[in-house]
Amino acid sequence: DAGVTQSPTHLIKTRGQHVTLRCSPISGHKSVSWYQQVLGQGPQFIFQYYEKEERGRGNFPDRFSARQFPNYSSELNVNALLLGDSALYLCASSLLRGQQFFGPGTRLTVL
Amino acid sequence: ELKVEQNPLFLSMQEGKNYTIYCNYSTTSDRLYWYRQDPGKSLESLFVLLSNGAVKQEGRLMASLDTKARLSTLHITAAVHDLSATYFCAVDYGGATNKLIFGTGTLLAVQP
Repeated sequence: DAGVTQSPTHLIKTRGQHVTLRCSPISGHKSVSWYQQVLGQGPQFIFQYYEKEERGRGNFPDRFSARQFPNYSSELNVNALLLGDSALYLCASSLLRGQQFFGPGTRLTVL
Repeated sequence: ELKVEQNPLFLSMQEGKNYTIYCNYSTTSDRLYWYRQDPGKSLESLFVLLSNGAVKQEGRLMASLDTKARLSTLHITAAVHDLSATYFCAVDYGGATNKLIFGTGTLLAVQP
């Protein structure tokens, strides 16, 4: 079975721009969670979606938003990019609760 | 608010030696995970610990959980260079979400 996939792998944007990151979960998993990992730190929870509904939100500004589609794939959107948004964005899939399996991540650089 | 602390933050070991990484967390949780991360890569799941006294072993790594002390350990036996990576513990926040709170990570460097 294919694992969690994310696209794109790398992305370079400038301040003020908008970005969309995509994630496809493991087949059979209906939950997708997003994490931000700044260099040298542990991942921080951004969102969890289950069955297209938001189940949890971390301490991130409203510039961050996400959605989940009927096929359980998900998008993370970030508006008005700041230099501090530069990070590795990780998507994890799971059943509603339980072990999360992480994708390869999208490396976002904001210049 | 749930906080997760790991120590040490950096660990330089010689091959063949043993060492332990500690993970302390501040409030009750019934699930704890250990992950490995190689530079520039994603997180690889190592262990899932679901109950007090749980012990899991895989190769040279062994993880344990003491929910009463709110402590998990990752023990490395006879380290080899291939174990060099950053190791994270992550605690399940609980409630209705599947939210993980990660520790600060331990960068392990195994020297030949």
